[in-house]
Amino acid sequence: QAGLTQPPSVSQGLRQTATLTCTGNHNNVGNQGAAWLQQHQGLPPKLLSDRSNNRPSGISERFSTSRSGNTASLTITGLQPEDEADYYCSAWDSDLTVWMFGGGTKLTVL
Amino acid sequence: EVQLVESGGGLVQPGGSLRLSCAASGFTFSNYGMNWVRQAPGKGLEWVSHISGSGGPIYYADFVKGRFTISRDNARKSLSLQMNSLRDEDTALYFCVRGTMDYWGQGTLVNVSS
Repeated sequence: QAGLTQPPSVSQGLRQTATLTCTGNHNNVGNQGAAWLQQHQGLPPKLLSDRSNNRPSGISERFSTSRSGNTASLTITGLQPEDEADYYCSAWDSDLTVWMFGGGTKLTVL
Repeated sequence: EVQLVESGGGLVQPGGSLRLSCAASGFTFSNYGMNWVRQAPGKGLEWVSHISGSGGPIYYADFVKGRFTISRDNARKSLSLQMNSLRDEDTALYFCVRGTMDYWGQGTLVNVSS
């Protein structure tokens, strides 16, 4: 079962804006949307945004998500050192009836 | 406060079995589907299995079909994963995850090694 496609790494400067992408197909991202998760080293993942682009309580407004066709995007504005983490997208595939994850993007704040 | 606490991990030889459990609290357990997701050391997230709030339908990733069995006890607010015929490549941290990936436990480590 092929997963969702994410760039392995993204680097951006302090206080700059980073955009991470997640590409699937019409059975998963394009149909069901994608959730975004943040994982710091040694900790479990944390939900940043659900498949409807809603942020859970307590998640900074600096994190925003969107979708265009089969590609979902996570935009982080005003990058801070604590934003350095691995970011994963996740989507339900209605054809394969499986949850899919992207391979993860390691964000480095320069 | 939503809490998910996994247990049951450990060291097991290839071909062996292990049963993972997840104790849930802070929400109406029967209202939510539940998942097991794993992460091998230094690797990404990999979905293992899903069970609906009522106990069915159930879905599995191809690599565990016929070897792993997910189940739940809504009265006890408990989720389980019975893992048989374990392989080296099943070594990972196994997370109990609510519904659409909104809450995660801390994970329990499964180490398959001779």
